[in-house]
Amino acid sequence: EAGVTQSPRYAVLQEGQAVSFWCDPISGHDTLYWYQQPRDQGPQLLVYFRDEAVIDNSQLPSDRFSAVRPKGTNSTLKIQSAKQGDTATYLCASSDWGQDTQYFGPGTRLLVL
Amino acid sequence: AQSVTQPDARVTVSEGASLQLRCKYSYFGTPYLFWYVQYPRQGLQLLLKYYPGDPVVQGVNGFEAEFSKSNSSFHLRKASVHWSDWAVYFCAVSLDTNAYKVIFGKGTHLHVLP
Repeated sequence: EAGVTQSPRYAVLQEGQAVSFWCDPISGHDTLYWYQQPRDQGPQLLVYFRDEAVIDNSQLPSDRFSAVRPKGTNSTLKIQSAKQGDTATYLCASSDWGQDTQYFGPGTRLLVL
Repeated sequence: AQSVTQPDARVTVSEGASLQLRCKYSYFGTPYLFWYVQYPRQGLQLLLKYYPGDPVVQGVNGFEAEFSKSNSSFHLRKASVHWSDWAVYFCAVSLDTNAYKVIFGKGTHLHVLP
């Protein structure tokens, strides 16, 4: 069974540029999570979905961040006008709704110069 | 507010030695607690989880953890460390019974000496 996949693995951009991260969850998992993990910190939940619906996006840092999951499968996290403070690894995880184990992808490492 | 504290940013042990990684939590109510491991260039993987019941929880690869309500702790242990255990270990507490919203500690880097 394929795990959670994410792309790209790395991204480097200048402040003010936009970037998108893509996540393909484990097949059949209806719940999808996005986390931000700054260097030497634990993951911090940004948003999570059940199918295509946003369940909680209260932790998205600002209007510059958005996440969608239009067909309830793959998901995209986008940062408009990135800032140096957005430098972090962005993790995607998936699970079955009601199950307590999340399965994580390898992450996308973002560096904003 | 709910939180998790891992007081040791880095722990170094020799291969074959025993291990304890410390975790303290702050939570109002009944905590659901987890330990995850992050191997180099891989995603986080669940080691074990605690739900109210037996305070000692067994996990994968010989890991276990003990819940203490009086000490607000959930320390991770292993009797004999292997070089492949070199990784970052995260303690986490769930804000709900289904672990939709999980708060992670900052992690403890485990280094294993040959």
